[in-house]
Amino acid sequence: AQKITQTQPGMFVQEKEAVTLDCTYDTSDQSYGLFWYKQPSSGEMIFLIYQGSYDEQNATEGRYSLNFQKARKSANLVISASQLGDSAMYFCAMREATPNFGNEKLTFGTGTRLTIIP
Amino acid sequence: NAGVTQTPKFQVLKTGQSMTLQCAQDMNHNSMYWYRQDPGMGLRLIYYSASEGTTDKGEVPNGYNVSRLNKREFSLRLESAAPSQTSVYFCASSARDRGIYEKLFFGSGTQLSVL
Repeated sequence: AQKITQTQPGMFVQEKEAVTLDCTYDTSDQSYGLFWYKQPSSGEMIFLIYQGSYDEQNATEGRYSLNFQKARKSANLVISASQLGDSAMYFCAMREATPNFGNEKLTFGTGTRLTIIP
Repeated sequence: NAGVTQTPKFQVLKTGQSMTLQCAQDMNHNSMYWYRQDPGMGLRLIYYSASEGTTDKGEVPNGYNVSRLNKREFSLRLESAAPSQTSVYFCASSARDRGIYEKLFFGSGTQLSVL
């Protein structure tokens, strides 16, 4: 069974500082995908970044990067130069073994609430 | 571009009542999903539909039914609501991105309370 663990229920970070949100996962699959989604106060979940288990390089999307450490089963999200608009809940998620398109069954972590302080 | 639209945004039911949550997407996506979000837990998949005319159970399907009315619309029905179904419900659709993974697009959620 897959499992996603986010150990930081809440974080407070000064504006313009870099932020690392932790995510560890547990799977026996060799092929899997890892995602990060952002949930602002409006409630809508927003896709941030994706990392495939066979990707050799860490994924990056603008100010977001994913620090993927496969041996440690870790997929931490790094936000550079944080902004007030980054205040939100952040969820790590994993999909099962095969990329079964049209059937994106994700397992989500419990989330981390990030608050950016001016 | 509205994306994924859910109605209603809030609903209060009494135990035993029934209701249908509506979801529509205007992005021409084939796949649609219903998730629930409970405090202290991650989102859990209730049902999904990989294409028009097909539906499949997710992790927590008990107490729910779904209908994929057409490509745009995917509804979730509670036949006899129970307090354990108090939750925030999210509808989503997905599109293939970079040929590698499906990117989920979510609605803004329905907050449901069952008394």
